[in-house]
Amino acid sequence: AQSVTQLGSHVSVSEGALVLLRCNYSSSVPPYLFWYVQYPNQGLQLLLKYTSAATLVKGINGFEAEFKKSETSFHLTKPSAHMSDAAEYFCAVTGMDSSYKLIFGSGTRLLVRP
Amino acid sequence: NAGVTQTPKFRVLKTGQSMTLLCAQDMNHEYMYWYRQDPGMGLRLIHYSVGEGTTAKGEVPDGYNVSRLKKQNFLLGLESAAPSQTSVYFCASRSGGSYEQYFGPGTRLTVT
Repeated sequence: AQSVTQLGSHVSVSEGALVLLRCNYSSSVPPYLFWYVQYPNQGLQLLLKYTSAATLVKGINGFEAEFKKSETSFHLTKPSAHMSDAAEYFCAVTGMDSSYKLIFGSGTRLLVRP
Repeated sequence: NAGVTQTPKFRVLKTGQSMTLLCAQDMNHEYMYWYRQDPGMGLRLIHYSVGEGTTAKGEVPDGYNVSRLKKQNFLLGLESAAPSQTSVYFCASRSGGSYEQYFGPGTRLTVT
């Protein structure tokens, strides 16, 4: 069965610093992986997705993630944090039953300090 | 192109009351999903539909019912609300050719 673990429920960085949000997955088949962002009181917006093409995936707002099969990881990074990046970030993997539901991690709240 | 819309945005119910949440999508997507979001737990699947007239249970279906009479609409019903159903509910849809899901803005439900 697929599962997702996000290490760190809260991450705090200074504006301009590197952002690193960690995601590890468990899957018995080649996974499809996603990062979503949720701003306060809003829905989920897709940041980027891995669908078995390039292992380094670029997304919106300067974010990127690297798929590492050997480490079963899909960490999200951004070279320089901006105040507007403060939000909650969810890593998800596609379930491979008939629903093809998204299986989410518990989320990481990113705080950006001025 | 509105994407995925949800009504209402907020609702407060008393225990035992019933209500229906409406999800609509204008992307002609086959698959539609209802998730609930609770603090520290990510999103969990309640029910889903793979096409008009079909529905199936997800991880946490108890206390909920769904219907998909039209391809563009997916309704989530609570027959007798309980405080444990206090949550934020998200609808999502996707096409059959992609695993990417598109989410609505959510409905915040409080059951007192």
